[in-house]
Amino acid sequence: QSALTQPASVSGSPGQSITISCTGTSSDVGSYNLVSWYQQHPGKAPKLMIYEGSKRPSGVSNRFSGSKSGNTASLTISGLQAEDEADYYCCSYAGSSTTVVFGGGTKLTVL
Amino acid sequence: EVQLVESGGVVVQPGGSLRLSCAASGFTFDDYTMHWVRQAPGKGLEWVSLISWDGGSTYYADSVKGRFTISRDNSKNSLYLQMNSLRTEDTALYYCAKDLVVHLGVYAFDYWGQGTLVTVSS
Repeated sequence: QSALTQPASVSGSPGQSITISCTGTSSDVGSYNLVSWYQQHPGKAPKLMIYEGSKRPSGVSNRFSGSKSGNTASLTISGLQAEDEADYYCCSYAGSSTTVVFGGGTKLTVL
Repeated sequence: EVQLVESGGVVVQPGGSLRLSCAASGFTFDDYTMHWVRQAPGKGLEWVSLISWDGGSTYYADSVKGRFTISRDNSKNSLYLQMNSLRTEDTALYYCAKDLVVHLGVYAFDYWGQGTLVTVSS
């Protein structure tokens, strides 16, 4: 199983918007609307931020949004806040033989 | 309140075996697919395995296939991971995680435990 491809790092200033990309293949991201995104602060367990590509779980700020185009999924965070500084991981269903793949993670720095 | 509590992580020699457990509470355990996800020190997340709500279906990452076995005991609200032929590259924090949606699931993990650390070293 190959990991999905994410940028190693992104940064933005408070109040700005940033987008993290997650590039897969036609066997995972491109074939299923089952991409999820996780936020992980140091020393903490991951937190689900987006599921099924663009849906937000209850309690997640509407500053977080997800989308997909072809084999690439994206997470957009608007109105950046200091507490958004964390690692972000994408994840996709990849069919019954491969099942689930994660991206390598993106470190978000709020300047 | 949903709680997932992992246990069983220790230091083990290469080639050794270990069984991890995850005690679940606060939700109807036998309605949900459950997963194990691991994170090597300083590295990213890696999906390890899943088991369907009824235990009838199991899937594994290629990196652990043939060495790890996932199981569950719905009468005890518990999830397990039997790990055999351990390698140094299996060293990681192992999380159990609950799928968001009942039964078939959507491969999204809405609750995670705190993790249990497995160290494979001679």
